[in-house]
Amino acid sequence: GAVVSQHPSRVICKSGTSVKIECRSLDFQATTMFWYRQFPKKSLMLMATSNEGSKATYEQGVEKDKFLINHASLTLSTLTVTSAHPEDSSFYICSLDSNNEQFFGPGTRLTVL
Amino acid sequence: AQSVSQHNHHVILSEAASLELGCNYSYGGTVNLFWYVQYPGQHLQLLLKYFSGDPLVKGIKGFEAEFIKSKFSFNLRKPSVQWSDTAEYFCAVIGYNNNDMRFGAGTRLTVKP
Repeated sequence: GAVVSQHPSRVICKSGTSVKIECRSLDFQATTMFWYRQFPKKSLMLMATSNEGSKATYEQGVEKDKFLINHASLTLSTLTVTSAHPEDSSFYICSLDSNNEQFFGPGTRLTVL
Repeated sequence: AQSVSQHNHHVILSEAASLELGCNYSYGGTVNLFWYVQYPGQHLQLLLKYFSGDPLVKGIKGFEAEFIKSKFSFNLRKPSVQWSDTAEYFCAVIGYNNNDMRFGAGTRLTVKP
């Protein structure tokens, strides 16, 4: 299966700053990647679908201008949380799709103070 | 769009007890079904998946799941749990005609030694 990495694994930032999270496919060229957010004691919520070379598709209720997604190459998608607030603190997970099977990154724990 | 419901939020069992976690989905078409496990501090890992064929699917670590189309269910089972099975379990579905994976809310399993 595909191997997916995320960086950083943990980040703590001050309110109002922006944070970039990278999702890399190490051995698979992914035209599509997915960004999820996991709330405590809740399931993953799909935030957006990242498409290589084109705009991301956001789920209803997800602010496009707050969660900027860039999928510049077949192996890298980035999620930038802009002007972060404490309520953005969460666990962010990316995944890629290969033959209708999802491979997940290890996740990034974001804490906004 | 498809949705997934998991009936049990928290299940507590003793070692060697049998396990069954419920999962129901709603979707009008063909689906691919998954069970993922998330051990404490780790990322999601695939336990098993159903695409087609034999509705009884065997996965890793002694887990199995049965797809019952008439009931829109995909329950996870294990005949004898171990302390190391303590984790969060997620049921997920992908509609055949799209790539969006939808997760259930998850079931936390605690196995007492």
